[in-house]
Amino acid sequence: EPEVTQTPSHQVTQMGQEVILRCVPISNHLYFYWYRQILGQKVEFLVSFYNNEISEKSEIFDDQFSVERPDGSNFTLKIRSTKLEDSAMYFCASRTGNRGYTFGSGTRLTVV
Amino acid sequence: KQEVTQIPAALSVPEGENLVLNCSFTDSAIYNLQWFRQDPGKGLTSLLLIQSSQREQTSGRLNASLDKSSGRSTLYIAASQPGDSATYLCAVGGQTGANNLFFGTGTRLTVIP
Repeated sequence: EPEVTQTPSHQVTQMGQEVILRCVPISNHLYFYWYRQILGQKVEFLVSFYNNEISEKSEIFDDQFSVERPDGSNFTLKIRSTKLEDSAMYFCASRTGNRGYTFGSGTRLTVV
Repeated sequence: KQEVTQIPAALSVPEGENLVLNCSFTDSAIYNLQWFRQDPGKGLTSLLLIQSSQREQTSGRLNASLDKSSGRSTLYIAASQPGDSATYLCAVGGQTGANNLFFGTGTRLTVIP
């Protein structure tokens, strides 16, 4: 069964550093998403991406965040200057048509 | 804004029991509803997807129902097994934009052998 692949599985970074989280969505999917889950809290929507542009973003997705689909297969989330409160599990997801979402296994980001 | 609530927050049952997990949502204008399983520290595994026009979906020992008008969904697990122990998340797809998901806080299920 096709999978969404995320790398790395765990990243530790110093406060103020830039991080890039990488995702390879399912190849024929058209919609791409980033969600995050702070420990013990709900999974929260960050951003959706369709037709090579952001289609919707939440209030969490401020100027520190950006997304890119640089080469038609990868989908990246960049956090420019990480804060302690950015520590969370970040999930990439993709879907097509009226099919459900497929989520990756997540990247655990720890900001120290 | 869509709010999704799951009750109970935690549930502990002996192996073999049938059980029901509940999900409620505030806005009935949904695109679909999806149930996920999450093991500790892991990703989200899709269990069942119900489109807004459907009333239920079944997969093996799992059955999910949807009542849009009352803003409720249930996940029924038959003959529970210790391997079913996990957190179960309900997520509602919005009708606008890219149909983003709104998640509940989950029900943590423990099946005791």
